[in-house]
Amino acid sequence: QVQLQESGPTLVKPSQTLSLTCTVSGGSISSSGYCWSWIRQLPGKGLEWIGYICYSGSTYYNPSLKSRVTISVDTSRNQFSLKLSSVTAADTAVYYCARRDGYNSYYFDFWGQGTLVTVSS
Amino acid sequence: QSALTQPASVSGSPGQSITISCTGTSSDVGNYNLVSWYQQHPGKAPTLMIYEVNKRPSGVSNRFSGSKSGNTASLTISGLQAEDEADYYCCAYAASDTYVFGGGTKLTVL
Repeated sequence: QVQLQESGPTLVKPSQTLSLTCTVSGGSISSSGYCWSWIRQLPGKGLEWIGYICYSGSTYYNPSLKSRVTISVDTSRNQFSLKLSSVTAADTAVYYCARRDGYNSYYFDFWGQGTLVTVSS
Repeated sequence: QSALTQPASVSGSPGQSITISCTGTSSDVGNYNLVSWYQQHPGKAPTLMIYEVNKRPSGVSNRFSGSKSGNTASLTISGLQAEDEADYYCCAYAASDTYVFGGGTKLTVL
């Protein structure tokens, strides 16, 4: 059973860069076909897909966030990371990492528990 | 990319059936059979309930079913149980490896 766990600072100052890491256990992050995603939930609101990095190294981002987002992978640690630059209070949210299932699959089958990141001075 | 439209809330009594709608556009819901549904209990991570419009992952009760007509997808829960009370989100593939979620629907079991 694949498990994902988010980690990183829970408080970030405005204009700084939010950095989170997701550690994957129970499976290899390099396994063919899978993509590793970041999804956020604004307070009291719905979910928003941020982007993902696939086993091939290709990255795909939400067009509305693309200019500020970088997702990368560290295969040696079985981790992937999110960097969101120039944050504002509007980026305060619970951030989830999730796995997009294999080839030709377009849904998220395993999720981390989520981590609340607050943007405040 | 605009969020998919879901009703803010629905309710039903135990044993009844309810349906949650999810309306998108011809660029997302209407263009691909790639709609998924997620259940989220308070303070918990979402869990996958339906994928590719009407497929259930193993372990998900057959009381949950999905369908689609045009630009609107639907999740139906039959034989409502107290444990079904949660928030439900739809998600649609929207081309070029991008995704859009709905705003969520709060299900209350009366």
